[in-house]
Amino acid sequence: AQTVTQSQPEMSVQEAETVTLSCTYDTSESDYYLFWYKQPPSRQMILVIRQEAYKQQNATENRFSVNFQKAAKSFSLKISDSQLGDAAMYFCAYRSLQGGSEKLVFGKGTKLTVNP
Amino acid sequence: DAGVTQSPTHLIKTRGQQVTLRCSPISGHKSVSWYQQVLGQGPQFIFQYYEKEERGRGNFPDRFSARQFPNYSSELNVNALLLGDSALYLCASSRDRSSGNTIYFGEGSWLTVV
Repeated sequence: AQTVTQSQPEMSVQEAETVTLSCTYDTSESDYYLFWYKQPPSRQMILVIRQEAYKQQNATENRFSVNFQKAAKSFSLKISDSQLGDAAMYFCAYRSLQGGSEKLVFGKGTKLTVNP
Repeated sequence: DAGVTQSPTHLIKTRGQQVTLRCSPISGHKSVSWYQQVLGQGPQFIFQYYEKEERGRGNFPDRFSARQFPNYSSELNVNALLLGDSALYLCASSRDRSSGNTIYFGEGSWLTVV
């Protein structure tokens, strides 16, 4: 079974600085997708960035980028020039198509605090 | 275009009661999934429906059931509610089941069981 591990329950960063959130996963599948979702206090899951496993190039979306290490099964999120609005829970997720169903397997999340 | 919409946003039920949660996917999306998020945890997969058929089920008891309608909207039903069913229930939609899909979430339905 696929598992996703986020080893940092909480992280903090100063406004305008850079922070990296860690994520590791375990799977036997060769083709899969990985996602980072942001969940602010409103509780809606907002897609931040996604990575296709077959692509060696790391995904980038404005101030957000990932460091995808397929062999190590590692998928970290880097937030540059942190803003107060980045404060939220961040969830790493693996998308499985095993058994014919599409589902996301989530980590437990990392709470990011941005200090002014 | 409207995003994934869910109703109700908040509700309180008593142990033993039954609840129905509703979800409308993004226009053009045929797949709907349901997730349960207990406070302090990541969401857990409950069901996926695609083209009105159940395509996947997570590790939840038979008290949980769902269905998808011809317009691709969906309902999640939970019978014989327990205190432990208190959670945020998230609905998600995606266009189809291709590998390139992105899954989008609604704002969730907060269920409190007392």
